[in-house]
Amino acid sequence: DIQMTQSPSTLSASVGDRVTITCRASQSISSWLAWYQQKPRKAPKLLISKASSLESGVPSRFSGSGSGTEFTLTISSLQPDDFATYYCQQYKSYPYTFGQGTKLEIK
Amino acid sequence: QVQLQESGPGLVRPSQTLSLTCTVSGGSISSGAYYWSWIRQRPGKGLEWIGYIYYSGTTYYNPSLESRVTISRDTSKNQFSLKLSSVTAADTAIYYCARRWTVAGFFDFWGQGTMVTVSS
Repeated sequence: DIQMTQSPSTLSASVGDRVTITCRASQSISSWLAWYQQKPRKAPKLLISKASSLESGVPSRFSGSGSGTEFTLTISSLQPDDFATYYCQQYKSYPYTFGQGTKLEIK
Repeated sequence: QVQLQESGPGLVRPSQTLSLTCTVSGGSISSGAYYWSWIRQRPGKGLEWIGYIYYSGTTYYNPSLESRVTISRDTSKNQFSLKLSSVTAADTAIYYCARRWTVAGFFDFWGQGTMVTVSS
């Protein structure tokens, strides 16, 4: 299985900050990576697919980059609604696997 | 817009079989464009993909669960289902059903999730 490792596990930041979350794959997954946002007691919401393609309706302050084994999710200016847990997911090969999550907290 | 809704018992006894159903509205599971999946989230853990079913009945399971998992569908009811046998406390989780395109492996629509506790 391809292991996905996110860092940091927890990130404390303030409204207006620029934040970056990293996701590393245990082997190359090309650009077959998605990012999700999950709020408490809610299902994950797809933000980005194919490493950098923003889903319709997702604010442009979210961006994704990377290929191969290293990927980043950047939020350019944190808004109150962005405090949540973020997961990456590889879909290069089965079984599809997720990172362990990064919890974005209010500082 | 497609909506998915999980249903089933919230409590299952150890060694028994967990059974959940996902009802899809706003779209058809008979569409050849999608795979219909189950994903779970154990307490304090990340997300784990369980498997999928295609409209034709073709299934694919996570090898870590394959010996205990069965996913089936009822196209007349626009539903698909999950059965997980011989459950233990380690199967306690929120279970989500989700949709993905056949041409892409990300999950674009999810159900709200249903909590299943395995306990005697």
